[in-house]
Amino acid sequence: IAGITQAPTSQILAAGRRMTLRCTQDMRHNAMYWYRQDLGLGLRLIHYSNTAGTTGKGEVPDGYSVSRANTDDFPLTLASAVPSQTSVYFCASSALGLAREQFFGPGTRLTVL
Amino acid sequence: GESVGLHLPTLSVQEGDNSIINCAYSNSASDYFIWYKQESGKGPQFIIDIRSNMDKRQGQRVTVLLNKTVKHLSLQIAATQPGDSAVYFCAENMGSSYKLIFGSGTRLLVRP
Repeated sequence: IAGITQAPTSQILAAGRRMTLRCTQDMRHNAMYWYRQDLGLGLRLIHYSNTAGTTGKGEVPDGYSVSRANTDDFPLTLASAVPSQTSVYFCASSALGLAREQFFGPGTRLTVL
Repeated sequence: GESVGLHLPTLSVQEGDNSIINCAYSNSASDYFIWYKQESGKGPQFIIDIRSNMDKRQGQRVTVLLNKTVKHLSLQIAATQPGDSAVYFCAENMGSSYKLIFGSGTRLLVRP
């Protein structure tokens, strides 16, 4: 692994289903982030984690949850997906204190029907 | 409130010409202003940043200019190449914060 990996690459999901997007980094970065990117728009922060064991809410946290059991993994869970959660989801990481220089994964394209 | 925005949604330039991508910001308290590049189907990639106490910073073929008087940020790309075709986002960050506030992006198209 080099950098950040995300899985799955894309997913079509029925409304009401539960879904976990996976994110793993191998850079030993303390901080990790989840963003969503809607068509034609910039990125909006969903949740973040400054270090293993801690998480925080971003700009658009409703309907999403995260956990940070260790340094490398930062899964994002949609407990009951809704069509408005159709988006491209990006995971990112940064060294602690260097949030301005984030390293992004390739993204997960999620469609909720 | 805090916001970062862009003047031009799409910029088309001839290969070899210089490109200038502009951005307006509203939060004077930001410590850093950053440019990210996003190629089609990929995640954003950090290009360059500038601290708020500077007005110019140069990288490889890129220069970022910061005008705090009018709250304006620009990214200049010299000798634009086809590989520069992408969406460019400006963002701002307070050094002590986890937050990156992104603008809505400008698409750069490079004509051969």
